Amino acid sequence: ETGVTQTPRHLVMGMTNKKSLKCEQHLGHNAMYWYKQSAKKPLELMFVYNFKEQTENNSVPSRFSPECPNSSHLFLHLHTLQPEDSALYLCASSGGRGGYSTDTQYFGPGTRLTVL
Amino acid sequence: GQQLNQSPQSMFIQEGEDVSMNCTSSSIFNTWLWYKQDPGEGPVLLIALYKAGELTSNGRLTAQFGITRKDSFLNISASIPSDVGIYFCAGQREGSNYKLTFGKGTLLTVNP
Repeated sequence: ETGVTQTPRHLVMGMTNKKSLKCEQHLGHNAMYWYKQSAKKPLELMFVYNFKEQTENNSVPSRFSPECPNSSHLFLHLHTLQPEDSALYLCASSGGRGGYSTDTQYFGPGTRLTVL
Repeated sequence: GQQLNQSPQSMFIQEGEDVSMNCTSSSIFNTWLWYKQDPGEGPVLLIALYKAGELTSNGRLTAQFGITRKDSFLNISASIPSDVGIYFCAGQREGSNYKLTFGKGTLLTVNP
């Protein structure tokens, strides 16, 4: 049991749609992450939030917009996506200390996104 | 970005056999993590290693933090069908703070 939940688990959307992915962690962690996992590629870090502040934006296109209202919740807002954005989107959390999150990351089950 | 060299890419073994996989890097790592991912699920943490030379077990799984801090090994003893999945190594490079570098994964298939 990871303690990190993600909804929805599956999402199919057209290129003109707007949708949001939600992540919630029940571990009392201070840092949260969005990753993209495509077939045959290593996990790609997208965004990092530490104590609700965005500390990393790994050159992600603006059609992906993260939001972190508190340390337990993380959203990824999607708009005008492309078919190549189809992937498994994973959320993770870690303990975090001060300005850094050096603790082990725990992952949610992911959202399987298909863009038509 | 930097990648970890994880090998082998895939393994096909018989139930009951032992399995070994490893990750290597040209950089020094402060932390090594091993995850397992089942189809359609997120990675689940198996073992975390924080100190060079550390050897840690979790049931039939044993992982070691290489003494050079540039590699790590995962061994699975007496494999069973539910060991099937993709195993990822991940490491935190010295000076990288929170960022993890991931290997490409080892796909394990266990024949009953």
